Amino acid sequence: GAVVSQHPSRVICKSGTSVKIECRSLDFQATTMFWYRQFPKQSLMLMATSNEGSKATYEQGVEKDKFLINHASLTLSTLTVTSAHPEDSSFYICSAPKAGSNNEQFFGPGTRLTVL
Amino acid sequence: AQSVSQHNHHVILSEAASLELGCNYSYGGTVNLFWYVQYPGQHLQLLLKYFSGDPLVKGIKGFEAEFIKSKFSFNLRKPSVQWSDTAEYFCAVNAPGYSTLTFGKGTMLLVSP
Repeated sequence: GAVVSQHPSRVICKSGTSVKIECRSLDFQATTMFWYRQFPKQSLMLMATSNEGSKATYEQGVEKDKFLINHASLTLSTLTVTSAHPEDSSFYICSAPKAGSNNEQFFGPGTRLTVL
Repeated sequence: AQSVSQHNHHVILSEAASLELGCNYSYGGTVNLFWYVQYPGQHLQLLLKYFSGDPLVKGIKGFEAEFIKSKFSFNLRKPSVQWSDTAEYFCAVNAPGYSTLTFGKGTMLLVSP
């Protein structure tokens, strides 16, 4: 199957700082990537759809100025949590659909963000 | 809009017991259906999927699921669970041609040895 990586896997930061999370499709190109947020013992909530070459599409209730998404290339999307606060602490997961696989999504391993 | 309902938030079983996790979806058109598993500390992995054809789908690790269109259901089953099946299980749907997945809230399965 296809491989999606995320970096870093874990990050701890002080309140007010910004954190960048990378999502890479390692063996396929992805014009679209998805960013999810998973709270403890809850489901994955779609935050936004990252589109290569155009602006990201955000789900209702997600602040686009706080969660900046840049789809820099066909294999890389980044999520920047700006001015992070403790309530932003969560597990962030990206996924990418692979063309020719009925758009099956392949998930990254996730990034655990802890804001102190 | 699509929605997915998983009936059980937590399930506790002994090894060798049979498993059935419920999943119902709400959507008026054709859907693709998925079950994902998330082992402790690991990322989501695809267990099985249904796009079309035989409504009984077999996945990895002895899991299977049956799509019952009239009931809008896609229940996950395994005849005999193992301790290593302890994980969280998510049902998800999307519309054919669209990548966006809608997830259920997940079911945490704990298998005691």
